[in-house]
Amino acid sequence: EADIYQTPRYLVIGTGKKITLECSQTMGHDKMYWYQQDPGMELHLIHYSYGVNSTEKGDLSSESTVSRIRTEHFPLTLESARPSHTSQYLCASRSVEGTHEQYFGPGTRLTVT
Amino acid sequence: QKEVEQNSGPLSVPEGAIASLNCTYSDRVSQSFFWYRQYSGKSPELIMSIYSNGDKEDGRFTAQLNKASQYVSLLIRDSQPSDSATYLCAVTPPGGGADGLTFGKGTHLIIQP
Repeated sequence: EADIYQTPRYLVIGTGKKITLECSQTMGHDKMYWYQQDPGMELHLIHYSYGVNSTEKGDLSSESTVSRIRTEHFPLTLESARPSHTSQYLCASRSVEGTHEQYFGPGTRLTVT
Repeated sequence: QKEVEQNSGPLSVPEGAIASLNCTYSDRVSQSFFWYRQYSGKSPELIMSIYSNGDKEDGRFTAQLNKASQYVSLLIRDSQPSDSATYLCAVTPPGGGADGLTFGKGTHLIIQP
């Protein structure tokens, strides 16, 4: 099981603010992912990374951006938060070798007022 | 469009009985299949993975895969109240492109004491 951390766990912020959601993992996993989940709905992939300096957009279009400067760190940034960004954001990681098993962090519940 | 379909429930099962959760997927070339458990307000927790046709058992959990029918199921034996949660089915495509998981909306399982 991966050790993967997300901060903050909860964030309430006003429209127009810039926010960064942090995600870190200590397992040395090369692949990392960001998913978005609205209440009662399925998770949707919004960003992924195969390793340092690799970032790609996922299946669901998102106004957020990501960076991968260090293997263990995969932050997500919203330059100007809007109420439509209110959701739960889940970070996950997995090893390149072996299975596709992804392990999730605890999530960040974002509310934009 | 990749799709994963699950009955949203709720599925109510008496304590001690077998809970049976089902999932179908549309992408015939999907290769890896997962069951996650998600408690309300929490992040998904991996409980089972299966990659080849047949059954895979882990404790009280059994995953069943039938690629010809594009069907994967999860059986929970001796159901406990602590098993009450939403169970998410997830699949991955074959190599190349975004290899994030495609999730179903989940089945809400209630174990009645």
